[in-house]
Amino acid sequence: EAGVTQFPSHSVIEKGQTVTLRCDPISGHDNLYWYRRVMGKEIKFLLHFVKESKQDESGMPNNRFLAERTGGTYSTLKVQPAELEDSGVYFCASSQAGQGDRYGYTFGSGTRLTVV
Amino acid sequence: ELKVEQNPLFLSMQEGKNYTIYCNYSTTSDRLYWYRQDPGKSLESLFVLLSNGAVKQEGRLMASLDTKARLSTLHITAAVHDLSATYFCAVVNAGGTSYGKLTFGQGTILTVHP
Repeated sequence: EAGVTQFPSHSVIEKGQTVTLRCDPISGHDNLYWYRRVMGKEIKFLLHFVKESKQDESGMPNNRFLAERTGGTYSTLKVQPAELEDSGVYFCASSQAGQGDRYGYTFGSGTRLTVV
Repeated sequence: ELKVEQNPLFLSMQEGKNYTIYCNYSTTSDRLYWYRQDPGKSLESLFVLLSNGAVKQEGRLMASLDTKARLSTLHITAAVHDLSATYFCAVVNAGGTSYGKLTFGQGTILTVHP
């Protein structure tokens, strides 16, 4: 089966610009997660979708970040306006309903965002 | 708040040697995961540990979980160069709206050299 797909793989933008990251989960996976790793720090949870609903967005840093999941399929994470501290690698993960904790979570290869 | 700590953060090993990476976590959980990441690649799932005393082995890697001590270990036997990567442990927050959310350790950068 196809894995979790993220694009772009790299993005370099100027401070103040807008960037939109996309994640396509494994087909049929209701759960979709966004994580971020800032340079030198641990991978941190941003938010969790169940289908199209936000289950937990406690990790979203501030209101410059907006996540959506249209029709419960792919998800986008928009940063507007981007700041220097938003630089890092953004990972997406997905799992089947009720199965994630038993069989694990599948991660995409991430989007490396650099804000200059 | 759940905290996960790995040590060591950097590990330089000689081929053929054995070593252990430790993962401690601060609150009760019985779901722990080990991931491997090669540079620029996705996190690859290595082990899913679901109960106290769980032990799993795959090739030269063996992972265990002690939920009473809140400790997991990843043991490397007779290291080879191909094992060079960053290894993460992650613990699930159980219950509430954060169920399924993973809290990660800082990662251990493993380098295996001749």
